[in-house]
Amino acid sequence: NFMLTQPHSVSESPGKTVTISCTRSSGSIASNYVQWYQQRPGSAPTTVIYEDNQRPSGVPDRFSGSIDSSSNSASLTISGLKTEDEADYYCQSYDSSIRGVFGGGTKLTVL
Amino acid sequence: QVQLVESGGGLVKPGGSLRLSCAASGFTFSDYYMSWIRQAPGKGLEWVSYISSSGSTIYYADSVKGRFTISRDNAKNSLYLQMNSLRAEDTAVYYCAGGNSEVYWGQGTLVTVSS
Repeated sequence: NFMLTQPHSVSESPGKTVTISCTRSSGSIASNYVQWYQQRPGSAPTTVIYEDNQRPSGVPDRFSGSIDSSSNSASLTISGLKTEDEADYYCQSYDSSIRGVFGGGTKLTVL
Repeated sequence: QVQLVESGGGLVKPGGSLRLSCAASGFTFSDYYMSWIRQAPGKGLEWVSYISSSGSTIYYADSVKGRFTISRDNAKNSLYLQMNSLRAEDTAVYYCAGGNSEVYWGQGTLVTVSS
C-alpha cells in the first residue's frame, strides 16, 4: 500500500495564496483520483475538491486542485485567503483495491 | 439537498458490540458508493470500510477486518456498520460518507470504548 504525506502545518496572511502538497509514496498519483477535505474545529469534514480538480457547488473558486506527475503529488491551492479558511485540510485517494488512504492532515493558520 | 445522519454511537465496554446507522436523504441512495471513516480524538481521518452502490463489493481496513461488517439497505436509504469485539483504539467519531463523484459527509457519531 502507499502513503500520502502532507506538511503538518502551513500559515499565511489574509489575502495571500497558499498551496498544500500531498505526496504519494509509491505508485502514480494519477492512477486514482485525489480528493481534498476541509475540517473546521469541532465540525465534520466537507469536500472542497474531488476528482483531482473538481470543485463542488458552493465552494468558492479561490480553491483549486491539481496533480503533478513529476513530483508524484497533488496540491490544494487557496487564493485570496480569508480567516474562515483556517482549518485542517486532508488529501485522500484510493489504492487499487478501493481502500481509502488519507494524508495526515495539514493545519492551515491564517494570521 | 444531500443529507447523511449517523446514529447508534455511545459508550461500550471492551469486547462489546455496537451497530451504527446512517440515514440518507436528498439523493438516489442506490446510485452512491458509501464509506465509513473515523477520527480518533485529536487525530486525523482514518478510512474504515467501503461498500459499492449495489452492495456487491466491500472492503475493510486491516485494523477492523474480521470485527466490523458494513452493509446497506437501498430500500430504506440506510447504511450500517456492525462493530464487534470493540477495543479501546476503536474510540472515535465515526462518519458516513459517499457519492458517485463528489463526496458527501455526515456529522458523525461518537463511539467510546472504555471499561
